[in-house]
Amino acid sequence: SYELTQPPSVSVSPGQTARIACSGDPLPDQYAYWYQQKPGQAPILVIYKDSERPSGIPERFSGSSSGTTVTLTISGVQAEDEADYYCQAVDNSGSYVFGTGTKVTVL
Amino acid sequence: EVQLVESGGGLVQPGGSLRLSCAASGFPFSRDSMNWVRQAPGKGLEWLSYISSSSTIIYYADSVKGRFTISRDNAQNSLYLQMNSLRAEDTALYYCVREDDWTYQDAFDIWGQGTMVTVSS
Repeated sequence: SYELTQPPSVSVSPGQTARIACSGDPLPDQYAYWYQQKPGQAPILVIYKDSERPSGIPERFSGSSSGTTVTLTISGVQAEDEADYYCQAVDNSGSYVFGTGTKVTVL
Repeated sequence: EVQLVESGGGLVQPGGSLRLSCAASGFPFSRDSMNWVRQAPGKGLEWLSYISSSSTIIYYADSVKGRFTISRDNAQNSLYLQMNSLRAEDTALYYCVREDDWTYQDAFDIWGQGTMVTVSS
């Protein structure tokens, strides 16, 4: 199986923009998904199909894809966005892989 | 209310077995693929296993292949994970997760709150 690599941490001031990259060889051929997990809670889906936002997710969350890297962008970060974020994709054998995770800290 | 509720976790000795259950409600369970995902204390998410809506397609992560078995009972709206030959590194919070094949293109859109499994002597 393959790996999806994320930066361990990202720090951002309220109102600024946070960008979290996720890199992996299969990403040009597979959709990526993003999940937010707050302490003591189950993850929730924030982006699907690289850049689509599920109902109920604020517009400040967006996703993009370029080559072997997908990016989650949080525009106008709010204190409530402080959480761990994970990317996810599937390989051709049907196995799913999660990224290494990124802790977003709102300063 | 759409809900997944896991049960069956607990303390087990190395080499032992445990069966996790997941009760689904609030959505047409028999229509959807399901997965198990785990998270070791202080660590990231690890996908374990997938089962299609009719149980015809099943996948496992290499870390659990041959030791864990996923199954489902659509009449009971339930998902299961039989875990054998447990190791200390299987200690984790185990999540039952719905995979939405219809609206969100295979995204993991509904998660349970998890059941804790601790493997220790």
